[in-house]
Order: sequence, then C-alpha cells, then structure tokens
Amino acid sequence: DAGVIQSPRHEVTEMGQEVTLRCKPISGHDYLFWYRQTMMRGLELLIYFNNNVPIDDSGMPEDRFSAKMPNASFSTLKIQPSEPRDSAVYFCASIMTGNTGELFFGEGSRLTVL
Amino acid sequence: QKEVEQNSGPLSVPEGAIASLNCTYSDRGSQSFFWYRQYSGKSPELIMFIYSNGDKEDGRFTAQLNKASQYVSLLIRDSQPSDSATYLCAVNNGNQFYFGTGTSLTVIP
Repeated sequence: DAGVIQSPRHEVTEMGQEVTLRCKPISGHDYLFWYRQTMMRGLELLIYFNNNVPIDDSGMPEDRFSAKMPNASFSTLKIQPSEPRDSAVYFCASIMTGNTGELFFGEGSRLTVL
Repeated sequence: QKEVEQNSGPLSVPEGAIASLNCTYSDRGSQSFFWYRQYSGKSPELIMFIYSNGDKEDGRFTAQLNKASQYVSLLIRDSQPSDSATYLCAVNNGNQFYFGTGTSLTVIP
C-alpha cells in the first residue's frame, strides 16, 4: 500500500487566503485523524472521522477551520481565512479498527502563512 | 484535550548508554500507550505499544507502564547516534489518540 498521502507538502500563503489540505488514508482504514504540530504545543488532535463521519471536532481551534470526508478515500482540512498563527505542520493519520492501535501518518503538510 | 506530559529535554546521552524517557498522563480511562519516534522533518513512526502494567521489551527498547501512577516510560539500551530524534508519548482512550509534546534525544558518538 502507498501509505497515507497528503498534499500539498508545502504551502506558503498570505494572511486572509483560503488554504485547503488534502489527505488520502490507507485503503481499508476506517478512522482518519487530522493533527497540527507546532514546537510550542506539539501534536494537537483537531478532528477525527469514523467511516467518513466526523466524530469529535472539539480540537478545531476556531470556526475558520473546517474538515470534510466525502468518501472513504479522501478528506480535506480547510482554513478560511488563514492567519500567521496557523503556520504549522498538519498531519493526517489513519487506522483500522481492531489493529494494534498503530496510527499511520502521512508525511505532513507544512503551512506558512505570511 | 487530554493531558500527556513529557520532559521536553533536550536529553543527551553518550553512545552505548541507556536513555530514559518519561511520560505522565491525566486520563485514568486511557487504555493503551504508545511511543513514537520522529526524526526532524519527518512524520512520527511507531516504536512500541503497551497495554498492561509492567515491562515490555523489543530489542533495545523497553516500555514500562504503571497505571496506578499514570506513568509510562521508554528505555533505550545501547543508544546509537541513529536514535537521535524526538520521542513522542501517546495515549489512547477509545478511538482518540493524544500526544505529548515530545522529548528531544541526542546520542553523542
């Protein structure tokens, strides 16, 4: 399997612009997680889905953030409008129910908001 | 967010020494515990998981869990320069995974 695939790998944008990050989980995995990583706060859980349904979005910092999973093989995280404090690495991870509990991470999307 | 606390380090040990990494967690309902390694600029990768109190060994790595004290540790024996990375402690409660901020380890040749 190709693993969890994220795009773009790097994004530089200006404050106020819309940012869309994309994720393709591993085939057969029924849970998908979005994390944000910064030096100060580490890996923060933003939202997770089970069978394409959002289960817990309490980690989403503001209404500027939204996430969707229209099907089992695709999810997006959108920030509109973006702000400099949103600069971070955003990771997508997936897992299959019943396995050892290992989260499989994508390579991350590094976002810089100027 | 559930709290998972780690010493941020940096922790430096000489090659061949034992590195000891510690983690505490706040949610007594946590069910499983994980150690991930993250090299600079890379994504986290799983090293070990542990579910039951006691020790679990895998090669040079030993994970220790004490649920009464809400404490998890990772020992790395015979540390190698290639072990230099950030180590993330993670806990699972149901289907949510919460991570500590990580401990930076440097193994000095």
